[in-house]
Amino acid sequence: QVQLQESGPGLVKPSQTLSLTCTVSGGSISSGDYYWSWIRQPPGKGLEWIGYIYYSGSTYYNPSLKSRVTISVDTSKNQFSLKLSSVTAADTAVYYCARAVVVVTARFARQNWFDPWGQGTLVTVSS
Amino acid sequence: QSVLTQPPSVSAAPGQKVTISCSGSSSNIGNNYVSWYQQLPGTAPKLLIYDNNKRPSGIPDRFSGSKSGTSATLGITGLQTGDEADYYCGTWDSSLSGEVFGGGTKLTVL
Repeated sequence: QVQLQESGPGLVKPSQTLSLTCTVSGGSISSGDYYWSWIRQPPGKGLEWIGYIYYSGSTYYNPSLKSRVTISVDTSKNQFSLKLSSVTAADTAVYYCARAVVVVTARFARQNWFDPWGQGTLVTVSS
Repeated sequence: QSVLTQPPSVSAAPGQKVTISCSGSSSNIGNNYVSWYQQLPGTAPKLLIYDNNKRPSGIPDRFSGSKSGTSATLGITGLQTGDEADYYCGTWDSSLSGEVFGGGTKLTVL
């Protein structure tokens, strides 16, 4: 079964760039059936979708974060990565990577869901 | 404030049934499919329901999902103490061009 594991620094200074990597095991990121996503959760709060990427490099980003987010994929390492620039304390959160099913029906309805998820990694923005 | 509205908390006794609502609009729930996630304390979210009412392999049939108009509902029957968790609904929002989640509902099994 597919498993995802986040890695990266747990502490980032304000104004710097947050960088995380998600390593996929048990399946190929290039299979073409899925998108690969980042989702975050501030302490004690709800979930916020950051964006996702297809193995070909096509990306979709949360419009509210788009100016600061870059998601990239390295198919040779079976990994995908997140970069979030100009971070502030508001970016402190547990960051999850997840596999996404993204389907558009004939009537343009979206059949999207996230499964499985990585265990998450806490990133704190502080000087 | 979340695009999808969920009650902050619900509670019920062991063995009973509970429903969790998720209210949206025509740009999200009304024209797209809904998924539900369970987040046990200190763990990552887990997919419970997709395509409004389908259960992934391994999810017991105590969990069910439904959708009507611009609202969706998660139902849990035969409540167990192990069901105590936060539950989130999610869908695509066509106006925002992005995935959106509800604010989450904390289930307490008394």
